[in-house]
Amino acid sequence: LAKTTQPISMDSYEGQEVNITCSHNNIATNDYITWYQQFPSQGPRFIIQGYKTKVTNEVASLFIPADRKSSTLSLPRVSLSDTAVYYCLVGVNDYKLSFGAGTTVTVRA
Amino acid sequence: DAGVTQSPTHLIKTRGQQVTLRCSPKSGHDTVSWYQQALGQGPQFIFQYYEEEERQRGNFPDRFSGHQFPNYSSELNVNALLLGDSALYLCASSDTGGSGSTEAFFGQGTRLTVV
Repeated sequence: LAKTTQPISMDSYEGQEVNITCSHNNIATNDYITWYQQFPSQGPRFIIQGYKTKVTNEVASLFIPADRKSSTLSLPRVSLSDTAVYYCLVGVNDYKLSFGAGTTVTVRA
Repeated sequence: DAGVTQSPTHLIKTRGQQVTLRCSPKSGHDTVSWYQQALGQGPQFIFQYYEEEERQRGNFPDRFSGHQFPNYSSELNVNALLLGDSALYLCASSDTGGSGSTEAFFGQGTRLTVV
């Protein structure tokens, strides 16, 4: 499984855009990039998944450059309720998810 | 449509005791995975069940065992509890269809405290 590196924490204010970059230099050809969100005392929740270029859904956008060695999760106009831990996962193997420490995003008023 | 449900939500046990945690997967899902999440860390994969068999296992001792029933629900058993087993135990369900991409659905977890 490809190792991922992401910032430990990020601070933002309501209404701003938050961008979290994840490095995954050893990503394999067939690997997808997946992001999960976790609130305290809850299970992680799937946010978005992509393979290349750009993916957008109602929650976030995922930008993946051509070399796929990194990816950026973009959260538009965050609110207080977006305060959570965000995990970047690469190379999920038959649903055996490998979580790192994640990025703690704190949104302030 | 009920999502993944886990029981109990909280549990306090004494060192050396045994515990059983339960999970009902999301409707239509046939694969159940269990994760242990210590405070301040990401979830760590324990094992995965499919067709009532353990399909994959993480780096956990044999004190951790599980079972999957014909209706796809699952149990996680931990014997000879240690203080270090205190954690949030998460169950995730998924559908084995497809390859490469995946979306797992997690339950709320069971908070186990060993004293």
